[in-house]
Amino acid sequence: DGGITQSPKYLFRKEGQNVTLSCEQNLNHDAMYWYRQDPGQGLRLIYYSQIVNDFQKGDIAEGYSVSREKKESFPLTVTSAQKNPTAFYLCASSILPGMSNQPQHFGDGTRLSIL
Amino acid sequence: GQQVMQIPQYQHVQEGEDFTTYCNSSTTLSNIQWYKQRPGGHPVFLIQLVKSGEVKKQKRLTFQFGEAKKNSSLHITATQTTDVGTYFCAAGYGLTGGGNKLTFGTGTQLKVEL
Repeated sequence: DGGITQSPKYLFRKEGQNVTLSCEQNLNHDAMYWYRQDPGQGLRLIYYSQIVNDFQKGDIAEGYSVSREKKESFPLTVTSAQKNPTAFYLCASSILPGMSNQPQHFGDGTRLSIL
Repeated sequence: GQQVMQIPQYQHVQEGEDFTTYCNSSTTLSNIQWYKQRPGGHPVFLIQLVKSGEVKKQKRLTFQFGEAKKNSSLHITATQTTDVGTYFCAAGYGLTGGGNKLTFGTGTQLKVEL
């Protein structure tokens, strides 16, 4: 089945630790995105990528880093500089836009908590 | 960055009642998408509106895009328990207005009671 796989489902971070969230897609989509979801705040864009080896900051990129070495993979690292990392993290992908945006397909998410 | 206001934040209805959520942008949109997120799940794409004044229907769901392309609404007729979840609008500002990014509204959480 085609889709987006996020792992792990639950993740715990210690103070001062970097953690990496995995996102893999087999939909052959060029664009991939990372969102953070907090209660009552909807989805906020962290980073997005439209092509391999290129990515752009979203609205809340501070304390996060990404890489896009392969089309299928877009891992997100939550660094120790992110002081409030507890949230639900969602990865999404889409085909590249034409005249307008394209529907985004989401993974099941990773729930990150602080120990 | 661009902001999208969505109201109400919560809505409790009795099964069979109607439900509407509204989305407003201070700037003109290129297009707007709607997503549904079931409790414990991930957002799932419902529909996209592109044209000024556009109206689309999916069974009991009616989606509208304002004439000025600054607001949109989702109306559910005769809600059912399967409609439970959070409904998000997601605004696209066009390739020159933000690339391929979407700006999500804060969502409306719908609860349906028997």
